[in-house]
Amino acid sequence: GENVEQHPSTLSVQEGDSAVIKCTYSDSASNYFPWYKQELGKGPQLIIDIRSNVGEKKDQRIAVTLNKTAKHFSLHITETQPEDSAVYFCAASKGGNQGGKLIFGQGTELSVKP
Amino acid sequence: NAGVTQTPKFQVLKTGQSMTLQCAQDMNHNSMYWYRQDPGMGLRLIYYSASEGTTDKGEVPNGYNVSRLNKREFSLRLESAAPSQTSVYFCASSDLRGGNTIYFGEGSWLTVV
Repeated sequence: GENVEQHPSTLSVQEGDSAVIKCTYSDSASNYFPWYKQELGKGPQLIIDIRSNVGEKKDQRIAVTLNKTAKHFSLHITETQPEDSAVYFCAASKGGNQGGKLIFGQGTELSVKP
Repeated sequence: NAGVTQTPKFQVLKTGQSMTLQCAQDMNHNSMYWYRQDPGMGLRLIYYSASEGTTDKGEVPNGYNVSRLNKREFSLRLESAAPSQTSVYFCASSDLRGGNTIYFGEGSWLTVV
């Protein structure tokens, strides 16, 4: 089955710096790759996603890149702010009616220091 | 707009006791899911229901049962709780028409002693 590896497990940056989180997946049939942000005591919230027919997607300070050949995708946060501090999860699925069968990475705890 | 609502939020059980986690969504989604979250392991799918009337096993179904009561509600039952089931449980829902974006509830913290 699908396996998703996420690195690093913790990441500390200064406010204003960029943060990059990387994930690799094993199943070449996966075609939907969302990223979730989880704040303490809350459920995960979708922040951005990308599908396999696209190599990059941007939304303000957040961007995701996908390399299907290498089977890896990355989250980039620019101009980080203290409110970006949270745990971030990547995930993969085969989309379609399998879309909710997400396989998650282990999570990255991001700390943005003012 | 409540989204995905789970109850209870916190529960302590003794080994061997049974309980049901309730979940309801008000977004008219077809698909619903139960995940568990353990430290260092991300979220793992327990069971899912692609549509009303269907349920299927996920990655870690052992020790659990589910019921898709209607389109809105999807419950998770622990028949005989074990300490290994101490976890945070998340219900979620999605719809193909929404591009499969998954919306999660706020979580249920379960401790089995």
